[in-house]
Formats: sequence, structure tokens, C-alpha cells
Amino acid sequence: AQSVAQPEDQVNVAEGNPLTVKCTYSVSGNPYLFWYVQYPNRGLQFLLKYITGDNLVKGSYGFEAEFNKSQTSFHLKKPSALVSDSALYFCAVRDIQAYKYIFGTGTRLKVLA
Amino acid sequence: NAGVTQTPKFQVLKTGQSMTLQCAQDMNHNSMYWYRQDPGMGLRLIYYSASEGTTDKGEVPNGYNVSRLNKREFSLRLESAAPSQTSVYFCASSVPTSGGGETQYFGPGTRLLVL
Repeated sequence: AQSVAQPEDQVNVAEGNPLTVKCTYSVSGNPYLFWYVQYPNRGLQFLLKYITGDNLVKGSYGFEAEFNKSQTSFHLKKPSALVSDSALYFCAVRDIQAYKYIFGTGTRLKVLA
Repeated sequence: NAGVTQTPKFQVLKTGQSMTLQCAQDMNHNSMYWYRQDPGMGLRLIYYSASEGTTDKGEVPNGYNVSRLNKREFSLRLESAAPSQTSVYFCASSVPTSGGGETQYFGPGTRLLVL
């Protein structure tokens, strides 16, 4: 069965420091991987995705993610965090066989001024 | 474009009451989804519709029904609400993108409280 794990409920980082939000996955076959962000009382917004090709994927708002097949990870990164990056982040994997997405439980990112 | 819209934004029901959550998208997307979001559990797929006229069960379909009325609209119905259905419900639609895969677009959510 396909699954996504986000091992950290919350990540705290000082403004200006690099941030990493972790995600590991378990799928059969090649994965389609996604990161979404949710601000308070809002729906999820797409940040970036990995389908194939370059392992380093760049997305919105300066975020990037690194696909590591051997470690089955897809960690979200940003070189310099902003207070406005504080939000809930979700990793997701898509079942290639069907129109189904599986989401992780989310990681709350708190960027401290 | 309004994107994905959902009504109502907030609803309180008594156990046993029924209601329909409405969702519409104006992006001409084929695929639409209903999720529920509960603390510590992320988003769980209730039902999805790959195209107009088709629907399929997701991870947690029990207690729900859906209707894909046309390409724009995808409604979620609770026939007899239970407190366990207290949640935030999100509708989404998706479109294939270049290079493969799809990108989902989410509505603002409906907060449902069942007493």
C-alpha cells in the first residue's frame, strides 16, 4: 500500500536560516510526489512536484525539494526562511494507477523572527 | 476565475440530519475530489471523480454519497450526520500538466460540526 510519512509534527527555525521539512514515502513503482502549503483557514496551495528527471525540483516562493530514490525521501527545503513561511505543509504521493492522492499528516513550520 | 468554490463555509448539524456540501470549479478540470481534514490525520480522500459521470470511493467513503452533476460541480451528501463526521471538508479539482502528473487546486473548505 502506498503511504507518506512526515515524521515531524512541528519544525521551528529562525528567520534567515535554512529550513527542511521531511517526507518519506512508500510506493510501488515510480512515484509522483507533491508538496502543498496550507495557511490558516485556507485550502491547500500547490508548491511543487516531482514526476521524473532532475532530482532537485524548484517551486513557488523559493522552495525546493530533493527527490532521493534510495532513501525514498522527498524533503522540502528553503535556503533562507521568512516569517511569512509559517504554515502547515503537506507532502503527498499520487497513485499512478488511479486518480488518488495520499497525503501525509502535515508538518507545522514556525519561523521565528 | 474564481477557481474552486465551496458552500457553505460553516455548518452546524444535529446528529441524524442530512446536508449537501456544494463544490464548483470554473477551470474546466476533468477530475474532482472530496477530502476531509482532521487534526493529526492530514487529508483523507472521501470520493473522487475522474470525469463527468464517474465517481469512485476513496479512503473513507462510509456515510457519504457524491454526485458529479456536470463537469463544473461535484457535491458531497451526508444522509444522516454523525459526530464522527465533524471535520473540515475540502473540494479539489485537478488538471494534467506537462511532464506528467496533475496539479490539484483546493477550495477554501467547509467546517462542519455535528452535535
